[in-house]
Amino acid sequence: AQSVTQLDSHVSVSEGTPVLLRCNYSSSYSPSLFWYVQHPNKGLQLLLKYTSAATLVKGINGFEAEFKKSETSFHLTKPSAHMSDAAEYFCVVSDQGGTSYGKLTFGQGTILTVHP
Amino acid sequence: KAGVTQTPRYLIKTRGQQVTLSCSPISGHRSVSWYQQTPGQGLQFLFEYFSETQRNKGNFPGRFSGRQFSNSRSEMNVSTLELGDSALYLCASSLRGGWDYNEQFFGPGTRLTVL
Repeated sequence: AQSVTQLDSHVSVSEGTPVLLRCNYSSSYSPSLFWYVQHPNKGLQLLLKYTSAATLVKGINGFEAEFKKSETSFHLTKPSAHMSDAAEYFCVVSDQGGTSYGKLTFGQGTILTVHP
Repeated sequence: KAGVTQTPRYLIKTRGQQVTLSCSPISGHRSVSWYQQTPGQGLQFLFEYFSETQRNKGNFPGRFSGRQFSNSRSEMNVSTLELGDSALYLCASSLRGGWDYNEQFFGPGTRLTVL
């Protein structure tokens, strides 16, 4: 079974300061891990994905995430927030095994607010 | 390459009616997954289709059903609508939807309102 917990429902930062969105996961198999972003009234856009090739994953718009198996975490970071980063972010897990075909399990989401 | 398209974008129905939503995947993608997004429950997996076969199903009642056609286009149907079915329904496509790290590409969604 797969599950994911996003530790903060809301995060507020000032423009130009670092962003940290926290995510813990559970998986019965080697997991695939993703971060998606959803802007208001827009669809979901993939930010980055973990493919087991490297534990530090770089995504679009300057975002990064680090896979830590011992901590079962996949936190999302960005060195400097921009106003356009304000959106809802979802941490997502998918089991690489069992009966998980085509199934992504989403966290509850973290709303990121960026203040000028 | 065109993205995932969903039609219609907005729907208003009344309780007891049924509704059909359509999804066209990215060209070449053979797996289509459906999700329901609500403020209370978040994003929940409905089902996944590959080569016209349902391979996986989430924990939703039998009123929710779907199918996939030979061109990979997919439809989902909700019968006997309830107020709680009001949601954003998202469709996603991927190459194979299997265990090989294929990410899913999402459509803009269909906003269903049940009155």
